[in-house]
Amino acid sequence: EVQLVQSGAEVKKPGESLKISCKTSGYTFTNYWIGWVRQMPGKGLEWMGIIHPGDSDIRYSLSFQGQVTISADKSISTAYLQWSSLKASDTAIYYCARRGFGNSGCFQYWGLGTLVTVSS
Amino acid sequence: QSVLTQPPSVSGAPGQRVTISCTGSSSNIGAGYDVHWYQQLPQTAPKLLIYGNNNRPSGVPDRFSGSKSGTSASLAISGLQAEDEADYYCQSHDTSLRGSGIFGGGTKLTVL
Repeated sequence: EVQLVQSGAEVKKPGESLKISCKTSGYTFTNYWIGWVRQMPGKGLEWMGIIHPGDSDIRYSLSFQGQVTISADKSISTAYLQWSSLKASDTAIYYCARRGFGNSGCFQYWGLGTLVTVSS
Repeated sequence: QSVLTQPPSVSGAPGQRVTISCTGSSSNIGAGYDVHWYQQLPQTAPKLLIYGNNNRPSGVPDRFSGSKSGTSASLAISGLQAEDEADYYCQSHDTSLRGSGIFGGGTKLTVL
């Protein structure tokens, strides 16, 4: 059974750094793209970027390029999303999701989300 | 302002059929990229409903169907049930955004 288990909720201050995780199981980690999706409070879904753990190919949405860093650790089948300096506007739920169904580009499996709250 | 445009809300009575549109352009849906649909129930993670324009993952009822034509796509839900009340999002990719993924703004479905 494919599972994506995300790290717990975080409360941070503006300017602080943060790295959240998405631990996967039930499939070969290096064979599938994993992406991150943001959902700000009361708003819609935003595609942030994806990583292919097999070759570390990373694609960022233009909106998030330079704002976040996506990475993966093949040894523990885990993907990460990190910020070097958080802003209040980073407050959101962040979902990790695994692609599926060949090259369709859809997100077949989703984590439950990590709530990040940035407040002074 | 999303690159893919969805109506903010739709509604229907139990048993009725509703459709949700997703309007794009020649750089995304019209460029041949597949369209996918997700259902997000309140306070839960999104769930894949339709992939590759018109394919249902295992376990998704055949009341849900997708189509694509030109620069637009649609999600149809027939035999509406109370449990279908949720937010629905279309997703595709866009050549003008270096091929990155994009979501529609989402549509709130209310079952009357």
